[in-house]
Amino acid sequence: DIQMTQSPSSLSASVGDRVTITCQASQDISNYLNWYQQKPGKAPKLLIYDASNLETGVPSRFSGSGSGTDFTFTISSLQPEDIATYYCQQYYNLPWTFGQGTKVEIK
Amino acid sequence: QVQLVESGGGLVKPGGSLRLSCAASGFTFSDYYMSWIRQAPGKGLEWVSYMSSSGSTIYYADSVKGRFTISRDNAKNSLYLQMNSLRAEDTAVYYCARGGAWGQGTLVTVSS
Repeated sequence: DIQMTQSPSSLSASVGDRVTITCQASQDISNYLNWYQQKPGKAPKLLIYDASNLETGVPSRFSGSGSGTDFTFTISSLQPEDIATYYCQQYYNLPWTFGQGTKVEIK
Repeated sequence: QVQLVESGGGLVKPGGSLRLSCAASGFTFSDYYMSWIRQAPGKGLEWVSYMSSSGSTIYYADSVKGRFTISRDNAKNSLYLQMNSLRAEDTAVYYCARGGAWGQGTLVTVSS
């Protein structure tokens, strides 16, 4: 199985800050990577697919980059409504696997 | 737009069974592979099972292999998960997913 190592596990930042989350795959997954946002009590919401493509309707302050084994998710200017847990997910092969999640809080 | 609505969750005793359903709408169900993904309370996400659009290709996580069975009825636009020999560690919210689109989930609690 492909292991996805996501960091940090949590972070606290101020409104307007740039926030970066990283995800490392245990083997080359090309660009078969999703990023999800999950708010408490809600289902995960797809933000980024194919590592760097913004899902329709998602604000442009969210972005993703990377390929192979190393990936980055960025919120360019943190907003109060961005408080959530973020997950990366590889879909290069089954079993699809997820990172451990990053809980983003407002400082 | 894509809509996925899960049902069938509830409280069940260890060793018991439960059948989850997922009603799909807003897309041509028979054209898409589907999956089940779960999330234990306060924990991360775990992929559970996959079924191809025709139903000919099926995969399971090792943690549920031999106990869970995925199926679909393309005429009814529905996906199912038959869960047998349930264990406490199967307690989770179960999500039906089509790629990046997920339902709201249904809670399965396994407890005596």
